[in-house]
This record gives sequence, C-alpha cells and structure tokens, in this order.
Amino acid sequence: EAQVTQNPRYLITVTGKKLTVTCSQNMNHEYMSWYRQDPGLGLRQIYYSMNVEVTDKGDVPEGYKVSRKEKRNFPLILESPSPNQTSLYFCASRPGGSGGYTFGSGTRLTVV
Amino acid sequence: GENVEQHPSTLSVQEGDSAVIKCTYSDSASNYFPWYKQELGKGPQLIIDIRSNVGEKKDQRIAVTLNKTAKHFSLHITETQPEDSAVYFCAASIIGGGGADGLTFGKGTHLIIQP
Repeated sequence: EAQVTQNPRYLITVTGKKLTVTCSQNMNHEYMSWYRQDPGLGLRQIYYSMNVEVTDKGDVPEGYKVSRKEKRNFPLILESPSPNQTSLYFCASRPGGSGGYTFGSGTRLTVV
Repeated sequence: GENVEQHPSTLSVQEGDSAVIKCTYSDSASNYFPWYKQELGKGPQLIIDIRSNVGEKKDQRIAVTLNKTAKHFSLHITETQPEDSAVYFCAASIIGGGGADGLTFGKGTHLIIQP
C-alpha cells in the first residue's frame, strides 16, 4: 500500500531532551515536507526537501532540523524541545510534476 | 508570501443539501489549489485539486471552481452524506516555479452534516 509512515504516533517528552520523529514513504516521491498543526493556526510548513541532500526552511523552522540522506526517509529532529513545540506533526510527500501531497497519520508531541 | 483565507470556519447543513466552502489567496503566481479532508485522528487526505489553467473540475459529488482574476476558489459538495462530516482545508502553492515548495493552507472549515 502506498503510504507515508510516521513514528511514533504519540510522544511525551521533557524540555531539552533531544528527539527524532521518523518519516518514510514508499512511493519514490522526490518531494517531502513537514508540517505542524495547531488549533487556530492551521497547518504550517516547517521544512521541505526537493530531493536527496536538498532541504530548505518553510514558514516555521526555528527549533527544528531535518535531513534527507535517502529518498524515502525524512526525519524531523528537535535538538532541545521546548513546550511551545507541543503540537501535531505531519510528514508528507509528493512526486515531481504533481502538486498533490500525501500525508502521514501524524505524530502528537507533548513537551513538558 | 502567500496568504490563504478560508470561510466559513464552521458549516452545518442538512443531509442531502449542498455545502460550499470558499477560499481566497493573495499570490497571483500560485497555480495549484488542492482541497484536503481531515477526519478525527487522521492526516489530511487530498480529495480534489485544480490547476490555474482550468476553471472548474468535478469528481462525482465534489467540484472545485477557480476564479483567477478574483483570486478565489471554492469547494462544492452536493447531496451531502453523514460521512462528509470532517474538517476541510483549502491550500495554494506554486508548482514548477523553481522556488520554495509546499502548501499554504487556509485555517479549515468544520463541516457538520445534520441527519
């Protein structure tokens, strides 16, 4: 089944403890992206990648890192999480030449 | 950058009636306009999209219209059913422009289908 898989689905962590949210897609898509979803603010882009080793900032990149060493994987790294990064995170991918992003099921992160 | 406004924030319709959700965008360079449906506990799912060289697109009970001059686009759902209840998001982006990639989303419309 064609899909974007994120792990974990739920995560509770403490301020300052580094964490990684993994994202993998099995559709050979060139483009991948991370979004966060917050009540009243909607979905906002954190980082995106156009291909392996090509990444760039979205609208809200502060406090996040990403890497794209393989085409299928696009992990989101929080080096020193803070409570304002408590949110619902979505990874998404799309093929080149088409605009339609496929989203994962989401990771609900709570930073205390 | 792009700004997408979406209205209404909540829409309640009787089952069988039609629902219309409207969005406006600010960047005239945007050329791709998808609509996503998000059910509770799930990620957004693409339901229909339209490119700027097309004025209207239909897929069974769902249609999208685009007015490039006015910079607005709308989602139309006919013969609504209980399973249409969800949050709907419009979005805009530039495909193939060589610049930044990604979608700018509206803030969503909670569609409620009353039995």
